[in-house]
Amino acid sequence: AQKITQTQPGMFVQEKEAVTLDCTYDTSDQSYGLFWYKQPSSGEMIFLIYQGSYDEQNATEGRYSLNFQKARKSANLVISASQLGDSAMYFCAMREGLENFNKFYFGSGTKLNVKP
Amino acid sequence: DARVTQTPRHKVTEMGQEVTMRCQPILGHNTVFWYRQTMMQGLELLAYFRNRAPLDDSGMPKDRFSAEMPDATLATLKIQPSEPRDSAVYFCASGFLGLDTQYFGPGTRLTVL
Repeated sequence: AQKITQTQPGMFVQEKEAVTLDCTYDTSDQSYGLFWYKQPSSGEMIFLIYQGSYDEQNATEGRYSLNFQKARKSANLVISASQLGDSAMYFCAMREGLENFNKFYFGSGTKLNVKP
Repeated sequence: DARVTQTPRHKVTEMGQEVTMRCQPILGHNTVFWYRQTMMQGLELLAYFRNRAPLDDSGMPKDRFSAEMPDATLATLKIQPSEPRDSAVYFCASGFLGLDTQYFGPGTRLTVL
């Protein structure tokens, strides 16, 4: 089974509107971490936001927030007030285990296009 | 501003040639990951090291790929002999125990003709 599933290959959003990128995960561990990365057309992978499985509050970083629904095993990324510079590929990732720095599992990505 | 560095940034070579990619992790990071990204397969983990020791290289084709960390400031990924299907972007990332994420280098874009 896929560890990370991103069901939206591509999305469009109007500038200044909010957008939600979906991510579901599969793990039997109690301790894990969830991540979102942005990959613009230049190719670098940029870390955006992190949520630990024991964190009770949803993580937020500026315009990014992670909508963590543990029972549903979902970790959706919400970008508020979209900007043209947000156009990029977005990857959801999971690390199983918190005590050891274990390997990451990445989803297939969602390509976001922000329209002016 | 600490960053992971990778060299070369671009490499074009012919089938059968040896390719060596280098990565300098962020100073103080003790875990290094190698990933390969292609359109078809997405982002694949090839291998990762902690304190210079290989922890998992199950994602790497063993017959032609090898990964090493000669010292704490250098990780290498070698392909010998290279094949056209190895054409991809190879990323190195580093982190350390207790850090909430790994930080990626800019990648090496490899083209094997």
